[in-house]
Amino acid sequence: DAGVIQSPRHEVTEMGQEVTLRCKPISGHNSLFWYRQTMMRGLELLIYFNNNVPIDDSGMPEDRFSAKMPNASFSTLKIQPSEPRDSAVYFCASRMTSGSSGELFFGEGSRLTVL
Amino acid sequence: QQQVKQSPQSLIVQKGGISIINCAYENTAFDYFPWYQQFPGKGPALLIAIRPDVSEKKEGRFTISFNKSAKQFSLHIMDSQPGDSATYFCAAQGAQKLVFGQGTRLTINP
Repeated sequence: DAGVIQSPRHEVTEMGQEVTLRCKPISGHNSLFWYRQTMMRGLELLIYFNNNVPIDDSGMPEDRFSAKMPNASFSTLKIQPSEPRDSAVYFCASRMTSGSSGELFFGEGSRLTVL
Repeated sequence: QQQVKQSPQSLIVQKGGISIINCAYENTAFDYFPWYQQFPGKGPALLIAIRPDVSEKKEGRFTISFNKSAKQFSLHIMDSQPGDSATYFCAAQGAQKLVFGQGTRLTINP
C-alpha cells in the first residue's frame, strides 16, 4: 500500500499567489482530513470529508481557504490569495469510518512557505 | 479549537529512563484517545490508543494510563531509547473529529 500521497512536498510562493495542495488518500478509505501544523498552534483540523462530502469546515481559517474532494481518490486544499501567515506544514490524512474510532493515516505533508 | 492540553512541551530523558507525557481534556463526549508519534519530515503515526472504559493499556514499552474522573491520560515510555526521540501528540476523538494536543518534543540522551 502506497499510503496517503501528498504533493507538492515543498512549495515556496510569494504573497498573493494561489496555492493548491493535493492529496490522494489510501484506497478504500472513506474519510479524509486536512490538518495544518505550526509551532505556535500545533496540529489544527481544517476540514474533513466523509464519502467525498465536506462534513465540518469550522477549522478553515477564512474564506481564502477552500477544499474539494471531487472523487474518492483525490482532494485539494487551495489558498487564494496566500499570505505569509499561511506558512505551515499541511497534512492530509485518511481512514475507514468504522464506528467512532479508526486509525488515522497521515501523508508526509506539504511544507508551504509564503514570502 | 484547543480542547486537549498536553505537557510538557519538551522533555529530555536519559537512555533507559522513563518518559512521561501528560494530557487533559475537557469534552466528556470524547470516546477514543490515541497517541501519535512524529519524526522530523514525516507525518504523525499512531503509536497506541485507549478507550475510556479501560484504565490502562500496555503495548511493549509503551503504556497509556487513563483517569476518566479527572479527564486526564498519560503516556509512559519505559526503558526509553534514542530511537524514541520524536514529537508525541496526544489526541481525543468525538463526533469523528480528532483533536490533538500541542505536542511534546522528546529527546533521549544516549
